[in-house]
Amino acid sequence: DSGVTQTPKHLITATGQRVTLRCSPRSGDLSVYWYQQSLDQGLQFLIHYYNGEERAKGNILERFSAQQFPDLHSELNLSSLELGDSALYFCASSVAANNSPLHFGNGTRLTVT
Amino acid sequence: DAKTTQPNSMESNEEEPVHLPCNHSTISGTDYIHWYRQLPSQGPEYVIHGLTSNVNNRMASLAIAEDRKSSTLILHRATLRDAAVYYCILRDVARSGGSYIPTFGRGTSLIVHP
Repeated sequence: DSGVTQTPKHLITATGQRVTLRCSPRSGDLSVYWYQQSLDQGLQFLIHYYNGEERAKGNILERFSAQQFPDLHSELNLSSLELGDSALYFCASSVAANNSPLHFGNGTRLTVT
Repeated sequence: DAKTTQPNSMESNEEEPVHLPCNHSTISGTDYIHWYRQLPSQGPEYVIHGLTSNVNNRMASLAIAEDRKSSTLILHRATLRDAAVYYCILRDVARSGGSYIPTFGRGTSLIVHP
């Protein structure tokens, strides 16, 4: 058990809808990272937050947004969903923003129909 | 950003040692080498990391070349439960005020034969 909790585990929704994925980092971890993993793309970095502030953005679509709250949990919002957004979404946390190991949750599997 | 190169796949027999290579020829002096593995239907799992010296923990050993341009993850006795995708990435200790994006490649898919 990594200590990182992601909810929900599975999500099935229709195109055009909006969903929110939630991540609770390990106790004491200030950094939260979001990744998307689809079969043909591997693990793609989306966004990084450190202690409530956005620190880096990857190839995150404009339809996607995220935030990290004062209690350090994070949410990833996906809107105007398309079939191609179907993927596994992982959250990882680490103590700091630099070298410390990443601890991943077990992901949210999003299926857009 | 420094990148890593790994073979797409490797095979091993159960109870034999496995050496998983990683090339990182553009590594900087402040980059730590991290290894993760991802078992089927799970999130990636931290395995080990190091800077210059070889490292051991309960899961594996990490051997780092003297010039730091390559490293090898060693599983001393492979089991069927070690079948996974293994990722080698670089993490920069210097960028504490900013962010070094942990970039994962495709990794090495390890197949373990009974």
